[in-house]
Amino acid sequence: DTAVSQTPKYLVTQMGNDKSIKCEQNLGHDTMYWYKQDSKKFLKIMFSYNNKELIINETVPNRFSPKSPDKAHLNLHINSLELGDSAVYFCASSRGFGHGGSNEQFFGPGTRLTVL
Amino acid sequence: DAKTTQPNSMESNEEEPVHLPCNHSTISGTDYIHWYRQLPSQGPEYVIHGLTSNVNNRMASLAIAEDRKSSTLILHRATLRDAAVYYCILRDETSGSRLTFGEGTQLTVNP
Repeated sequence: DTAVSQTPKYLVTQMGNDKSIKCEQNLGHDTMYWYKQDSKKFLKIMFSYNNKELIINETVPNRFSPKSPDKAHLNLHINSLELGDSAVYFCASSRGFGHGGSNEQFFGPGTRLTVL
Repeated sequence: DAKTTQPNSMESNEEEPVHLPCNHSTISGTDYIHWYRQLPSQGPEYVIHGLTSNVNNRMASLAIAEDRKSSTLILHRATLRDAAVYYCILRDETSGSRLTFGEGTQLTVNP
C-alpha cells in the first residue's frame, strides 16, 4: 500500500529530449508538491498544487510544466532537458491549506533523472 | 521562513540515546518546528513537530526551549536504521505548505 508513488524510479536520457515523471498519492490529500534534490543533496521545492490549482511556482524554468489531472496525481513534464536537470525529483502530498504549520508531508521514493 | 542551524554531522552508538540540536533564534510566534529525516536513497520522512510544548511520538521526542529559540530531537535508543540526514525546519502557519530544507545533520550510528 504505497502512499505516494512515482514512476519511473530511474530515468536516463539525452540532452534535448522531453520526458515526464508521474506521481500518484492514495492518501486522499488535497495538496501535492514537486521537490528537486541536486548533487549536493539540497532539497528545494519546485511546485505545489492544491486541489488541482498551482499554488507555488518557485522560479523554475518554464521548461518544467507540472500537470494535475486530478487531486491524486501530479505529473512533471520537462522539455528540452539540460545537463543541469540531472537530480532526484521527489513528489510529496499533504492535507490541504487550513491545517496550518502542523501539516506533515508524505514523500515518494524519488525519481533519479540523469541527462547525458 | 526563518532559518535554522544544525551541526553538519553527529555520531552515536547503537542502543544509546541521541540528542540532535537545532537553533532557530529568529523563530516567529506562528512558526511550527518540524523534523524530517532522509534515509539513504529514500524520500524525506516526517519525524515529529511541535509549537511550544515538548512532544513525544513513537519515533522520537521533541524538546523545545522555553524561549523557542532552540529545540532538540531525541532518539531514545538509536538503531542502525536511524542513520540518516535529520532536518529541522520551521514552518509558518501562514506561509502555506512549503518545506524549506537546510543542510541537516548527518547522523552516523555505530554498531
